[in-house]
Amino acid sequence: DSGVTQTPKHLITATGQRVTLRCSPRSGDLSVYWYQQSLDQGLQFLIQYYNGEERAKGNILERFSAQQFPDLHSELNLSSLELGDSALYFCASSVALGLAVEPQYFGPGTRLTVL
Amino acid sequence: GDSVTQMEGPVTLSEEAFLTINCTYTATGYPSLFWYVQYPGEGLQLLLKATKADDKGSNKGFEATYRKETTSFHLEKGSVQVSDSAVYFCALGAGNNRKLIWGLGTSLAVNP
Repeated sequence: DSGVTQTPKHLITATGQRVTLRCSPRSGDLSVYWYQQSLDQGLQFLIQYYNGEERAKGNILERFSAQQFPDLHSELNLSSLELGDSALYFCASSVALGLAVEPQYFGPGTRLTVL
Repeated sequence: GDSVTQMEGPVTLSEEAFLTINCTYTATGYPSLFWYVQYPGEGLQLLLKATKADDKGSNKGFEATYRKETTSFHLEKGSVQVSDSAVYFCALGAGNNRKLIWGLGTSLAVNP
């Protein structure tokens, strides 16, 4: 158990809909990262937050957005869903932005199916 | 830009065989290097790491040595078990935003 929690575990929805995925980082971790994992694209970094502020953006679509709240939990919002958005979405957390790159600790993921 | 290249899978081995999964990288500066493992139906777990040249990371019988001269971080295990069947990801951490650059993953299947 990494200490990172994600809800829900599974999500099934229809095209055009909007969903929210939630992540609670490990106790003490200030950075949260979101990833998308699909069979054809592999593991794709979406976005990173540090202590409530956006720090880095990866291959995140404009239909997707995220935020990190004062209690450090984070939410990933996916809107106008398309079939191709079906994937596993992982959240990861790390301690802080220090001089070295710290490991990231992953949650169990949310499996999104868009029908 | 920074990048990681892993050997393509799937890799299929018999139990007790020797494992090598190759990982090479391109980076400016002095990156940190990681191996993660993803067991079926689970999230990624940190397997081992190395933060400077010639460092050897090790965990659960797996080892990888940070080789700056060959820009490599190959994963090895002397005797694999069926329970090692998983997908293995090599990752590089560098740059001001400290994000990780990921390889595509290598699937390993170990047969009894």
